[in-house]
Amino acid sequence: GQQVMQIPQYQHVQEGEDFTTYCNSSTTLSNIQWYKQRPGGHPVFLIQLVKSGEVKKQKRLTFQFGEAKKNSSLHITATQTTDVGTYFCAGRWMDSSYKLIFGSGTRLLVRP
Amino acid sequence: EAQVTQNPRYLITVTGKKLTVTCSQNMNHEYMSWYRQDPGLGLRQIYYSMNVEVTDKGDVPEGYKVSRKEKRNFPLILESPSPNQTSLYFCASRDRGLKSYEQYFGPGTRLTVT
Repeated sequence: GQQVMQIPQYQHVQEGEDFTTYCNSSTTLSNIQWYKQRPGGHPVFLIQLVKSGEVKKQKRLTFQFGEAKKNSSLHITATQTTDVGTYFCAGRWMDSSYKLIFGSGTRLLVRP
Repeated sequence: EAQVTQNPRYLITVTGKKLTVTCSQNMNHEYMSWYRQDPGLGLRQIYYSMNVEVTDKGDVPEGYKVSRKEKRNFPLILESPSPNQTSLYFCASRDRGLKSYEQYFGPGTRLTVT
């Protein structure tokens, strides 16, 4: 079935270090979304990428969608303690506009 | 305030005792979904609804039922809960339209079935 693989599962960084999480699909995606979930909270939408090779930035966060639309990454520059949480990607395939398949998430811990 | 609400937030129940988790949104969204979240597995879609009286199965629908009689409400029903349905459940909604892709999640319902 359709799956989105996300790595790493955990990342523990020193405050100020960079962080990257990666998502991969075996088949071409229609679009991909990213969410952040703070500890004890609910997922909050960050961004959607649609175009091949698309790059979007939100302050210290950079989101990329691969040329083949099969992979995506989220990069955080100079992490802060407020970045702590779990980051999920969620893919939507060409043949369905309603179903969203989530990756297993990357939990980010930041040492102050 | 635009929001998705769920009730109850926490529930401990016993195997076989029917329960309903309510979900309501005040944003007039057409699309609504239910997800369960388990450690290491991310969020898995249980059911979704494209509009009133229109629902379809997600990836893990077994043991669950839903209904969409009103646009704002999308209850999740467990007719005969089992321990493997112990999980954190999220309801989500989004508007229709090419640019209305942002999903809004409720606060979650933590269910324990003993």
